[in-house]
Amino acid sequence: EDQVTQSPEALRLQEGESSSLNCSYTVSGLRGLFWYRQDPGKGPEFLFTLYSAGEEKEKERLKATLTKKESFLHITAPKPEDSATYLCAVLFSGGYNKLIFGAGTRLAVHP
Amino acid sequence: GAVVSQHPSRVICKSGTSVKIECRSLDFQATTMFWYRQFPKKSLMLMATSNEGSKATYEQGVEKDKFLINHASLTLSTLTVTSAHPEDSSFYICSARGRDHEQYFGPGTRLTVT
Repeated sequence: EDQVTQSPEALRLQEGESSSLNCSYTVSGLRGLFWYRQDPGKGPEFLFTLYSAGEEKEKERLKATLTKKESFLHITAPKPEDSATYLCAVLFSGGYNKLIFGAGTRLAVHP
Repeated sequence: GAVVSQHPSRVICKSGTSVKIECRSLDFQATTMFWYRQFPKKSLMLMATSNEGSKATYEQGVEKDKFLINHASLTLSTLTVTSAHPEDSSFYICSARGRDHEQYFGPGTRLTVT
């Protein structure tokens, strides 16, 4: 079954404490993996697209990496404003051009 | 990134009435838009795919006669919740698909049916 699983479900960090969020997927024919940030009561904000294993992308304190089975979103020295829910989604062959979303990781960064 | 707007951001309506939500792609033409529903602390649930100039494709379990979708132009898709009931209260989010299949989301519409 095509599936996207994110872990942990929730993560609490102290300001400056680096960590990683995980997104594992079991789909055949990955065409793209997407990371989004969602603040409460708002729509998701696009962060990154990764297309192939070994690819990495960075934006400020965030770096996304991709392997054949999973993606990591590394957060370096997080600040309270990084608190949000981080969603990953995959596009795959046979998926009718639709994204399958994981359940998200709720990140809380405390000063 | 691309900008997608939604209107209204919040709406309260009485049971039995219909509500229309607009989704606009402001800086690019989107042949495909998507409508999602999101429950509290849950991920996005795809309701339907909206294709410009053709009928929407609904996901299994979504009533097409209740959630009417119209994609009349390359920048506008509308979702009409017909004969709304309290169980239709939710956060509705649209997205527009970009050139590389990334999706750009609107800010969402909070619907409350009393």
